[in-house]
Amino acid sequence: DAKTTQPPSMDCAEGRAANLPCNHSTISGNEYVYWYRQIHSQGPQYIIHGLKNNETNEMASLIITEDRKSSTLILPHATLRDTAVYYCIVRVGGTSYGKLTFGQGTILTVHP
Amino acid sequence: DAGVTQSPTHLIKTRGQQVTLRCSPKSGHDTVSWYQQALGQGPQFIFQYYEEEERQRGNFPDRFSGHQFPNYSSELNVNALLLGDSALYLCASSRGWTGEETQYFGPGTRLLVL
Repeated sequence: DAKTTQPPSMDCAEGRAANLPCNHSTISGNEYVYWYRQIHSQGPQYIIHGLKNNETNEMASLIITEDRKSSTLILPHATLRDTAVYYCIVRVGGTSYGKLTFGQGTILTVHP
Repeated sequence: DAGVTQSPTHLIKTRGQQVTLRCSPKSGHDTVSWYQQALGQGPQFIFQYYEEEERQRGNFPDRFSGHQFPNYSSELNVNALLLGDSALYLCASSRGWTGEETQYFGPGTRLLVL
């Protein structure tokens, strides 16, 4: 699986949009971009994933650049409960590639 | 609809002992993956079970073994515990090899080895 690079930490004011970048310059054509977050001492929570098109769900939006070498997770209106470690992961979709390779992630701190 | 459940939530063992952790997948899921998360690190993949067989394994010694039952639940066994095995053990489930394979995680079991 391709390696990802994320900033170690970011801050965001409550109510503002949080934009978390991820670099995956060696991504292959069949690799998906996944985002998870982990609030202290809990299991990782799935947020969103995409292949090449931008995606949106009730939690966040995922913007993938046209060359697919980077992406941005957007939390449109951050709240204090969004304070967590955010992991960007790329993995092959489809059959028999089960593992997720986590990096260090980005510690997002949302402050009042 | 119950999510992924794990038991126990916390466990304390001593070096050399053996431990068994349990996981029940999300309803409709048939694949279970196990991860180890040391303090301050991201989760590390241990192995994955599908159709009661180990399908993929990470870089973990044979002291780590598992099992999947016909109802898709799974166990993680660790023998000859070392201090370094102290970690949060996470179980994730997904819906097989085809279609959507997003993994959903349980709350984890925190193991402390003294």
